[in-house]
Amino acid sequence: KAGVTQTPRYLIKTRGQQVTLSCSPISGHRSVSWYQQTPGQGLQFLFEYFSETQRNKGNFPGRFSGRQFSNSRSEMNVSTLELGDSALYLCASSAVPETQYFGPGTRLLVL
Amino acid sequence: KNEVEQSPQNLTAQEGEFITINCSYSVGISALHWLQQHPGGGIVSLFMLSSGKKKHGRLIATINIQEKHSSLHITASHPRDSAVYICAVGMGGGADGLTFGKGTHLIIQP
Repeated sequence: KAGVTQTPRYLIKTRGQQVTLSCSPISGHRSVSWYQQTPGQGLQFLFEYFSETQRNKGNFPGRFSGRQFSNSRSEMNVSTLELGDSALYLCASSAVPETQYFGPGTRLLVL
Repeated sequence: KNEVEQSPQNLTAQEGEFITINCSYSVGISALHWLQQHPGGGIVSLFMLSSGKKKHGRLIATINIQEKHSSLHITASHPRDSAVYICAVGMGGGADGLTFGKGTHLIIQP
């Protein structure tokens, strides 16, 4: 089976722009979760989608949003980018409630 | 909100040594995850535990639900085990808002 894929792998944006990141889960996995990793805060949970519905949301401002499509692919969007949004964004898929499989991440740099 | 503490934060050891990384959490959980992250960012899920002990190759993970504590052991450590090991806890199965520890940076010297 192919693993979790994320696109793009690297991204440079400027403050005020918006960005959309994509995650394709392992075939058959219906749960997709998103995480943000920064040197200061470590890994933090953003949100989780299951069957196109957001089931859980972490403590992030409304600028961070996401969605899941009928094929389980998921996107997350960050609007009005701030310097502090520079981070590694990871997605993980699972066949709930089993082990999560992480993608390689998208490294976002906001200038 | 669950607080997850890992120790040690940094660990340098010689090849072949037995390694132990500890994780404590403050609130009862349904599952605890051990993750491995290599330089460059890629994360691999090593174990998901809800009770007892699991073993995979040279890695062993244990959890004590009553004491809210888990340990990750590496036997016969090797330089390729050098990575950041992260403990994460969840209240439900799967993702359900995992809370992460800060990680343990492990270096195994040849």
